[in-house]
Amino acid sequence: ELKVEQNPLFLSMQEGKNYTIYCNYSTTSDRLYWYRQDPGKSLESLFVLLSNGAVKQEGRLMASLDTKARLSTLHITAAVHDLSATYFCAVADSGGSNYKLTFGKGTLLTVNP
Amino acid sequence: DTEVTQTPKHLVMGMTNKKSLKCEQHMGHRAMYWYKQKAKKPPELMFVYSYEKLSINESVPSRFSPECPNSSLLNLHLHALQPEDSALYLCASSQDLSSYNSPLHFGNGTRLTVT
Repeated sequence: ELKVEQNPLFLSMQEGKNYTIYCNYSTTSDRLYWYRQDPGKSLESLFVLLSNGAVKQEGRLMASLDTKARLSTLHITAAVHDLSATYFCAVADSGGSNYKLTFGKGTLLTVNP
Repeated sequence: DTEVTQTPKHLVMGMTNKKSLKCEQHMGHRAMYWYKQKAKKPPELMFVYSYEKLSINESVPSRFSPECPNSSLLNLHLHALQPEDSALYLCASSQDLSSYNSPLHFGNGTRLTVT
């Protein structure tokens, strides 16, 4: 059974600082996704990571994937208040045509002025 | 604005009521999903439809009954729910089940309260 662990679960940081959220998973996978969720809102797709060494950047967020270590990171650069949200990584079971995502528990990010 | 539309946004129902949640997408996606999300928890998969056929049922109680009338619509029929079923119900779609670079597109959800 695929297990996905995110840490930290809670992150309070000051504006302008850098930090990294980690996502570890337990079995081989060929797809990893990062989502953002604002309170009471839906999930917004941030990044799709498909191969070892994949790195994607959008604004102050950068995501990477190391399939050998079964680890993805979401790096926040020079945080701003607008980045406050819950961030989920989600990993797909590999093999077959069924598409089942296992989500991490989420990281609640609060960026303080 | 989300491209996956869910109605209603909020729903309060008694344990003896029958109600339905509706989801619509016009992106030409052939896979559609129902997720349940409790407060401060990640989404949990309930059902997956692929080309209008039920592909995955994550051992969901029969008081939840999904229906996919066509490739753009997905319903979730609710009957005899329990208070613990109160949650945010999210619909999502993707291009299909095997396109690797196709993330799930989520709707804004229906916040369900069972009294």
